[in-house]
Amino acid sequence: KAGVTQTPRYLIKTRGQQVTLSCSPISGHRSVSWYQQTPGQGLQFLFEYFSETQRNKGNFPGRFSGRQFSNSRSEMNVSTLELGDSALYLCASSLKIAGGVSGTDTQYFGPGTRLTVL
Amino acid sequence: DAKTTQPTSMDCAEGRAANLPCNHSTISGNEYVYWYRQIHSQGPQYIIHGLKNNETNEMASLIITEDRKSSTLILPHATLRDTAVYYCIVRDQPTGTASKLTFGTGTRLQVTL
Repeated sequence: KAGVTQTPRYLIKTRGQQVTLSCSPISGHRSVSWYQQTPGQGLQFLFEYFSETQRNKGNFPGRFSGRQFSNSRSEMNVSTLELGDSALYLCASSLKIAGGVSGTDTQYFGPGTRLTVL
Repeated sequence: DAKTTQPTSMDCAEGRAANLPCNHSTISGNEYVYWYRQIHSQGPQYIIHGLKNNETNEMASLIITEDRKSSTLILPHATLRDTAVYYCIVRDQPTGTASKLTFGTGTRLQVTL
């Protein structure tokens, strides 16, 4: 079974621009979560989508947004890019069966998108 | 989710067992212990998880103490490819509601020849 895929893998933008990152979850997985990783702050949770609805959101400004499509694929968007947005953006998917059966909420990560803001 | 404490770094000789400890003294009854690792600049890789019983899979073993206040991840025969940052995470197993992973700083395991 193919893993989580993220595109593009590398991206260079300038301040003030916006960017859209894409994530395709493992086939059959319905939940997609996004994380930001920087050297200073480590891995931080951005948001989670399940059934096309945002279920949880981390402590990030409104410039960070996302959405999920009916096929569970997800995109995240960052508007008005700042230098501090340079980071590795990671997507993770999980099966998420209602009832919390052990292991069904295990998150599997993609390789990430390395965003550099100049 | 309960907070975890891990050593900042550890060394292990190739071929030997790597034992990575994690302290989670405030863990509650419905919280699971998860382990992930991250090899430089790659996405975190799921290793194993458990609630109270010891668990083993093809990658590692997870030993959870009887009081559940600490656990140990065991890589039975470490190789150079096991060099990575290992994260111990304690979290609820949600029942269809929102979920997230809270990563600490992890343990940097260096496997040497």
